[in-house]
Amino acid sequence: KQEVTQIPAALSVPEGENLVLNCSFTDSAIYNLQWFRQDPGKGLTSLLLIQSSQREQTSGRLNASLDKSSGRSTLYIAASQPGDSATYLCALTGEYGNKLVFGAGTILRVKS
Amino acid sequence: DAGITQSPRHKVTETGTPVTLRCHQTENHRYMYWYRQDPGHGLRLIHYSYGVKDTDKGEVSDGYSVSRSKTEDFLLTLESATSSQTSVYFCAISAPGTGIPWGYTFGSGTRLTVV
Repeated sequence: KQEVTQIPAALSVPEGENLVLNCSFTDSAIYNLQWFRQDPGKGLTSLLLIQSSQREQTSGRLNASLDKSSGRSTLYIAASQPGDSATYLCALTGEYGNKLVFGAGTILRVKS
Repeated sequence: DAGITQSPRHKVTETGTPVTLRCHQTENHRYMYWYRQDPGHGLRLIHYSYGVKDTDKGEVSDGYSVSRSKTEDFLLTLESATSSQTSVYFCAISAPGTGIPWGYTFGSGTRLTVV
């Protein structure tokens, strides 16, 4: 059974810092990995998707990497802003691309 | 989210009553999913569908049933609601195996309270 772990569980940083959120998984037979953002009381917004054959994806200040051999993904946020405060969820699908499995998330607070 | 809507957005119901949540998509995606999100447990898969009338159980399917009579609609039914089913329910869609790196798109959620 795939297990997804996110570290840290919570993070508080001053505005402007660069930061890294970590995601680890136990089964490397994945189809793709997706990072989501969730604001309090809201739904999930997809940030980045990395296919199993890729090593990283970038969107604006966000960069996500994938290392299947070590079972790890990182989400790098550059020059953090208070508007980045949210819960960040890592999720991945098995080799057939269905049944997304989630980590518990990292709660990020960026202080102004 | 564009292309996927859930209804109702909020519902309060009494223990023992049946409840149906609806998910509607306009993307013509083959796969549809129902997740629940609870503090301390994250998001867990309840049921999913891989086509019209094709459904399967997820991690926490006990007490829930689903139906999919049309590509665009996926219904989640709580036959007899219990307090442990108080949660936020999310519907999602995806199109794996199409050769295009489709990810998952989530609806805005339904907050269900069973009293």
